[in-house]
Formats: sequence, C-alpha cells, structure tokens
Amino acid sequence: DSGVTQTPKHLITATGQRVTLRCSPRSGDLSVYWYQQSLDQGLQFLIQYYNGEERAKGNILERFSAQQFPDLHSELNLSSLELGDSALYFCASSGQSNTGELFFGEGSRLTVL
Amino acid sequence: TQLLEQSPQFLSIQEGENLTVYCNSSSVFSSLQWYRQEPGEGPVLLVTVVTGGEVKKLKRLTFQFGDARKDSSLHITAAQPGDTGLYLCAGLVYSNYKLTFGKGTLLTVNP
Repeated sequence: DSGVTQTPKHLITATGQRVTLRCSPRSGDLSVYWYQQSLDQGLQFLIQYYNGEERAKGNILERFSAQQFPDLHSELNLSSLELGDSALYFCASSGQSNTGELFFGEGSRLTVL
Repeated sequence: TQLLEQSPQFLSIQEGENLTVYCNSSSVFSSLQWYRQEPGEGPVLLVTVVTGGEVKKLKRLTFQFGDARKDSSLHITAAQPGDTGLYLCAGLVYSNYKLTFGKGTLLTVNP
C-alpha cells in the first residue's frame, strides 16, 4: 500500500461527457502528479501540483484540468471525452527527497464508449 | 527532450533463467529510478541510483547506473513467476526537476 488513494477505480462513460478523478496523496506529501498510461504511449506526465500551486505541466490537453485543494487532495477533470481518452490515470505523490521518487496510487481506469 | 529507451520491449522466459533489461538515453540524468508495475496496479519504486557506476542489489535484482549517468541496467537472477510485471525506468534532471519515464519492459516469467 503506497498510501496514495485514488477514486474511482473504474469508470465507464460516453463520448462528450465529463468526469472527475480524485486523489489523496500520502500523509505529509505536498506534491501531487497526474499521469496517463495507455498501451501505445506508456506513462505520460500530465501535470504536477505542489502545495496547491501548479508546478509543472506536461502533455495535458486543454480539455483536461486539475487542481489541488488546501487539504492537499487533488482532482483531475476530463471533459468533452473522446474514445482516445480511454486509459489508466495515475496519481502519484512525492516527499522532500531530492531524487524525486514517486509513490503511485492504484489508478483509475477510464473507458469512453 | 530527454528520452529513455528501454529494451527489450517484451521478454518471456522460463522460471530459473537470468535476464537483463536496459534503459538508455543520450541525456545525462541526476538520478535514475526503477519501478515495477503489476497488472491493475500502480508502479512501485524498486530502487534509485544516483552515482555514475553505482551498483545496488535488492535480493535477486541488481541495478547498475552507467558511468556517464546516461544508462542503466537491471539484472534478475533465477527469475520467478512473481517477477512478472512491467519494469519502468525513470530519469530525473535536477535543473528542471523533470522526471521522464521509459515505456517499459514487459517481463513474463513462466513456471
């Protein structure tokens, strides 16, 4: 158990819809990262938050947005969903280490029909 | 853009065999991490290597960081079915604190 909690574990929805994925980081971790994993693209970095502020942005589409709340939990919002958005979405958190180790949740599997 | 190439992409072996998987880049990394991901789970950190030439052992797993800090290898001795999973390497660049993942090696160890 990494200590990172993600909900929901599975989500099935239709094209054009909007979903919200939720993540609670490990106790004490200030950084939250969101990744998308698909078979052909591997693990793609989407966005990072640190203590409520956006820290870094990766390959995140404009239809996607995220935020980190004062209690440090984070939400990833995916809108106008397309078939190609079907993937595993992982949240990870990190502590104060300067070697950047990440602790991943179990992921949310999104299926867009 | 720092790219990490992992090879082989797929590896299927019998229990008891030895294997090595590779993680290569043209970029220099401040540190490199190895993760294992099992089906339906998130990646789990195995080890971090920091110093060029560093070798770390974790039971039957041996990790090496290249002298130039551009590449790494993972050697598994006497593989077991429980070693089955996707092995991911990830390199960190301190200057921008960016962590880049390779696409992984999918290992299957058959009993």
